[in-house]
Amino acid sequence: KQEVTQIPAALSVPEGENLVLNCSFTDSAIYNLQWFRQDPGKGLTSLLLIQSSQREQTSGRLNASLDKSSGRSTLYIAASQPGDSATYLCAVRANNDMRFGAGTRLTVKP
Amino acid sequence: NAGVMQNPRHLVRRRGQEARLRCSPVKGHSHVYWYRQLPEEGLKFMVYLQKENIIDESGMPKERFSAEFPKEGPSILRIQQVVRGDSAAYFCASSPGRGSSYEQYFGPGTRLTVT
Repeated sequence: KQEVTQIPAALSVPEGENLVLNCSFTDSAIYNLQWFRQDPGKGLTSLLLIQSSQREQTSGRLNASLDKSSGRSTLYIAASQPGDSATYLCAVRANNDMRFGAGTRLTVKP
Repeated sequence: NAGVMQNPRHLVRRRGQEARLRCSPVKGHSHVYWYRQLPEEGLKFMVYLQKENIIDESGMPKERFSAEFPKEGPSILRIQQVVRGDSAAYFCASSPGRGSSYEQYFGPGTRLTVT
């Protein structure tokens, strides 16, 4: 059974710092991995989707990497801003469903 | 382009009542997925439907929960005789095809509160 773990559960950093969020999964037989952002009481915003054949994806200040063999992904956020404060969810797709981690709650202090 | 739409956005029900949650997929998408997010937890898969068919309901509770996606109209997630433990955010996602190569697009969710 696929288990997705995100570390840390919460993170607080001063504005301007670069930071890394971690995601690990137990079954490497995945089709893709996706990072989402969720604001309090809101829905999910897709940030980056990495297919299993890819090693990384970049969008603006965000870079996500995937090491399928070791069951790990990282989301790198450069030059963090207060507007980046949200919960970041990692999800892997293997079959019909997506398996989500519990998320990392990020706070960027001005 | 309208994305996935869910209504209502907030729903309050008393214990024992029925809750009906609606999901209109992205135009042209014929595949719908329902997920539940309990407080302080990640999203958990519930059911995957294609028009008029349930493809995978392995995540659905065995009792009180049902889902449908008729030929016309939105997908409906129905919860009968709600209990406090059903309080959660319910998210719907849609995709244009079957298979993991198709990205799922998520709606804003319906937040159910059972009093």
